[in-house]
Amino acid sequence: EVQLVQSGAEVKKPGESLKISCKGSGYIFTNYWIGWVRQMPGEGLEWIGIIYPGDSDTRYSPSFQGQVTISVDRSISTAYLQWSSLKASDTAMYYCARQETPEDPNDYWGRGTLVTVSS
Amino acid sequence: EIVMTQSPATLSVSPGERATLSCRASQRISSYLAWYQQKPGQAPRLLIYGTSTRATDIPGRFSGSGSGTEFTLTISSLQSEDFAVYFCQQYHTWPSTWTFGQGTKVEIK
Repeated sequence: EVQLVQSGAEVKKPGESLKISCKGSGYIFTNYWIGWVRQMPGEGLEWIGIIYPGDSDTRYSPSFQGQVTISVDRSISTAYLQWSSLKASDTAMYYCARQETPEDPNDYWGRGTLVTVSS
Repeated sequence: EIVMTQSPATLSVSPGERATLSCRASQRISSYLAWYQQKPGQAPRLLIYGTSTRATDIPGRFSGSGSGTEFTLTISSLQSEDFAVYFCQQYHTWPSTWTFGQGTKVEIK
């Protein structure tokens, strides 16, 4: 069974750093892209970026370029989304989702990680 | 960036009735259009991809159609479990960004 298991909810202060994770199982992790999607409270979905675990090829939405970093650890089948300095506006649910190629939609999703940034 | 516009924002439908949801792209996206269903507190679930192909285990009452810039998701006979928010997504502009519509909430009339 394909699963994407995301790390737990986080509460942080503005200016703090954070790294959330997404662990894939039930498939060959290095053969599928992992994308990250943001959903702010009561809002729609925004695509953040995507990484190919096979070679770490990474692409970002222009809106998120320079704001976050996507990475992967192939040895433990885990992708990451990280911030070096959080803002209150980063408060949102963050989903990871799998896709076979960049020309495919996201067929499996994690349950999401809620990030709350508040002083 | 391709902008995806969904209509209506909210659709009130009685169980057993047909629901028709629309999604318009700001430029042609061929058939690279997907639909997702999201229920409160849950992750999105892929329903339709390639404009009209149902994803694994998706019931036949869900169908997608369209081309170019105009796309439609039809739920032929609404069941109680279908009341949710539906998002369209274009995945045409690789290596640029993919974009989602703002969502249509299907609620019980």
